[in-house]
Amino acid sequence: GAGVSQSPSNKVTEKGKDVELRCDPISGHTALYWYRQSLGQGLEFLIYFQGNSAPDKSGLPSDRFSAERTGGSVSTLTIQRTQQEDSAVYFCASGTTGTGAQHQYFGPGTRLTVT
Amino acid sequence: QKEVEQNSGPLSVPEGAIASLNCTYSDRGSQSFFWYRQYSGKSPELIMSIYSNGDKEDGRFTAQLNKASQYVSLLIRDSQPSDSATYLCAVKRDYGQNFVFGPGTRLSVLP
Repeated sequence: GAGVSQSPSNKVTEKGKDVELRCDPISGHTALYWYRQSLGQGLEFLIYFQGNSAPDKSGLPSDRFSAERTGGSVSTLTIQRTQQEDSAVYFCASGTTGTGAQHQYFGPGTRLTVT
Repeated sequence: QKEVEQNSGPLSVPEGAIASLNCTYSDRGSQSFFWYRQYSGKSPELIMSIYSNGDKEDGRFTAQLNKASQYVSLLIRDSQPSDSATYLCAVKRDYGQNFVFGPGTRLSVLP
């Protein structure tokens, strides 16, 4: 079946512009996560959606970052007034959260470059 | 103290040897533990999950968990050059909680 998809795969933007990154999770997965990974660094958790519960936004680095998940499926991560330090690969992952089945599957990522 | 710690490496082992990757975590309430492999320029992929103390084997991979010591490890037997990648340890406290990733250990298997 189809895996997690993300678009665009690459995005180059000028400092100060807003960007939107899209994630299409695996059908039926109730959990959706956003991470970012700067060059040579580990995965940094950003935000987590679980079903209809309020999202866990504890990882968002500033109020320039926001995300929404419509209809429990597609998610959009928005970065306003981008800064050069926002340059990273942004990964989306989806998963199930039943007991013993708490895996997450990653999309290919969106490489964001802020010039 | 970071929540999940790993040696950054690189860890170099000869082909055919056993590679041992270690991870420690600070949250005693952690219940689920995962190892991901990430090739350069690619997204992480799940290798193993472990939930109970002891060993769990899957092919050439063995995950070991010791909750009392807050320690989880991954052994790769008969290491191959194709195993060269960064290995990420992740822990999860409970249902409905997010994953916390370690910084990853870079493994290099030398032919």
